[in-house]
Amino acid sequence: SQELEQSPQSLIVQEGKNLTINCTSSKTLYGLYWYKQKYGEGLIFLMMLQKGGEEKSHEKITAKLDEKKQQSSLHITASQPSHAGIYLCGADDQGAQKLVFGQGTRLTINP
Amino acid sequence: GAVVSQHPSRVICKSGTSVKIECRSLDFQATTMFWYRQFPKKSLMLMATSNEGSKATYEQGVEKDKFLINHASLTLSTLTVTSAHPEDSSFYICSARDWEARDEQYFGPGTRLTVT
Repeated sequence: SQELEQSPQSLIVQEGKNLTINCTSSKTLYGLYWYKQKYGEGLIFLMMLQKGGEEKSHEKITAKLDEKKQQSSLHITASQPSHAGIYLCGADDQGAQKLVFGQGTRLTINP
Repeated sequence: GAVVSQHPSRVICKSGTSVKIECRSLDFQATTMFWYRQFPKKSLMLMATSNEGSKATYEQGVEKDKFLINHASLTLSTLTVTSAHPEDSSFYICSARDWEARDEQYFGPGTRLTVT
């Protein structure tokens, strides 16, 4: 089955700095999702990527899917305290109709 | 965007009792709903896939007799934790797939279960 590896597992950055979170798959990705979660709360859908080389942006967050469709990155520009939380990548487990998730990246923004 | 609700948001129950959690898709029909469990500081673990009108498909290691799932309509799935124990205390999240909206999956706000 599909496995996703996120790095880093935790990240502490100074407010205003840029940061990148990576998600690597053991298999070709046919649908890659990025979610944000504050622990104990539901997931907030950020973006979905499907095509190799695809890039999407929402406000200061940009997500990319590499050409080989096995790695995705989430980049935050000029981070703010509101960006703090847990970021999860999820992928369609092809043929299984379910999402598998990475272990998550805990982001802390220091003022 | 599509909205998925869960009820209750928090529940405390005593050991040995059963608890039912509801998951509803509010503005779309979801033929498939998923139930996840999340442990502190860890990612989501898929428990089961719930298909409307048929039996749920459970992931390996998940006790189907303990976690009863019913998907009676296109907008409602329920998870019943039977004979709850303190180790069942967790955060349970459901999601629903909107097949008409490019297969996007929407998550509920979660239910925090505490078993005393």
